[in-house]
Amino acid sequence: GIQVEQSPPDLILQEGANSTLRCNFSDSVNNLQWFHQNPWGQLINLFYIPSGTKQNGRLSATTVATERYSLLYISSSQTTDSGVYFCATSNNAGNMLTFGGGTRLMVKP
Amino acid sequence: DAGITQSPRHKVTETGTPVTLRCHQTENHRYMYWYRQDPGHGLRLIHYSYGVKDTDKGEVSDGYSVSRSKTEDFLLTLESATSSQTSVYFCAISRGVSNEQFFGPGTRLTVL
Repeated sequence: GIQVEQSPPDLILQEGANSTLRCNFSDSVNNLQWFHQNPWGQLINLFYIPSGTKQNGRLSATTVATERYSLLYISSSQTTDSGVYFCATSNNAGNMLTFGGGTRLMVKP
Repeated sequence: DAGITQSPRHKVTETGTPVTLRCHQTENHRYMYWYRQDPGHGLRLIHYSYGVKDTDKGEVSDGYSVSRSKTEDFLLTLESATSSQTSVYFCAISRGVSNEQFFGPGTRLTVL
């Protein structure tokens, strides 16, 4: 099956800093999603982005499907951005997602 | 809010007992999924359903069974719980033409 790798595994930022999270995947995909898991365990949808670029406030994402990677940009980070960011992909008709190992982000005040 | 609820939200049980977790959705989506999340890992698919009475296995299906007798409910059963099944269980639905997945709040299961 498809392999999904995320980097870095851990990231510590000072409030206000910018960051880039990376997701590499091993095969062509028909679905790619970014999630934020907050400290309470809730999975929050950030982007559905199998290709192209999207922006939502301070967050933006780019997927280059031909090169099999996706990037999540966080600008002007806030303490509420802390948590784990997951990339997940699918390349099957059943849309079964394969998750990466996540990037654990801590934003310090 | 994708209208997904899970019950119970927390459960502690003993090894060897049967356990059933329920996922309920209010929006009539065809596809539903069960995932588990273990410390330090992303989510892994247990089983999924593509319609009433239509289910299939995922990556980590051993020790689990599922049933879907109504569109809105997807049940996950551990026939005889083991300590290795201690985990957080998430239910999900696929919504819309894009099949974007949305997740429920999770059920924390502890098997002693």
